[in-house]
Amino acid sequence: EIVMTQSPGTLSVSPGERATLSCRASQSVSSNLAWYQQKPGQAPRLLVYGASTRATGIPARFSGSGSGTEFTLTITSLQSEDFAVYHCQQYKDWPLSFGGGTEVEI
Amino acid sequence: QVQLVESGGGLVKPGGSLRLSCAASGFTFSDYYMTWIRHTPGKGLEWVAYISSRGVSIYYGDSVKGRFTISRDNAKSSLFLQMDSLRAEDTAIYYCAARLTGTNAFDIWGRGTMVTVSS
Repeated sequence: EIVMTQSPGTLSVSPGERATLSCRASQSVSSNLAWYQQKPGQAPRLLVYGASTRATGIPARFSGSGSGTEFTLTITSLQSEDFAVYHCQQYKDWPLSFGGGTEVEI
Repeated sequence: QVQLVESGGGLVKPGGSLRLSCAASGFTFSDYYMTWIRHTPGKGLEWVAYISSRGVSIYYGDSVKGRFTISRDNAKSSLFLQMDSLRAEDTAIYYCAARLTGTNAFDIWGRGTMVTVSS
């Protein structure tokens, strides 16, 4: 099983600042990585797939990068609606697996 | 409007069973691979089960293998999860989700249904 590890667990930032979230895979997942945003009481929303391709309707301030075992989600100029929990997911191998999440808070 | 609506959650005793349903609308359900994913505050998101568009390929997470069964009825645009031998650690919000074509990332999600396993 591929273990996904996200860091930090919590990221404290101010509106307008840049946030950098990390996700590490225990073995290579190539570019088979997705990022999701989840707000309290809501389902996750797909932000990025293929490590760097933004999903439909996702603002350009969200960008994904990386391949192999190291991945980054960058949110430039944080907006109030961006404060949420972010999850990474690998889909290279079965079982599919998620990281533990990073909470982006004010 | 593209929509997934889960139902069937509730309170059940350890060792009991529940059957979750997910009704799809606004898209051609029979074209989509589907999955169940659960969320607990302490453990985060956990992938549970996956079924291909015609039900030929099915996969399960290790923690539910042998206890849960995923199925679908394309004629009724519905996805199901039969959960048997439930344990306290199965307590979670269960989401159904549809796969983004060509990947195993999921871009259509329901609102979720809560399952609580407790005596």
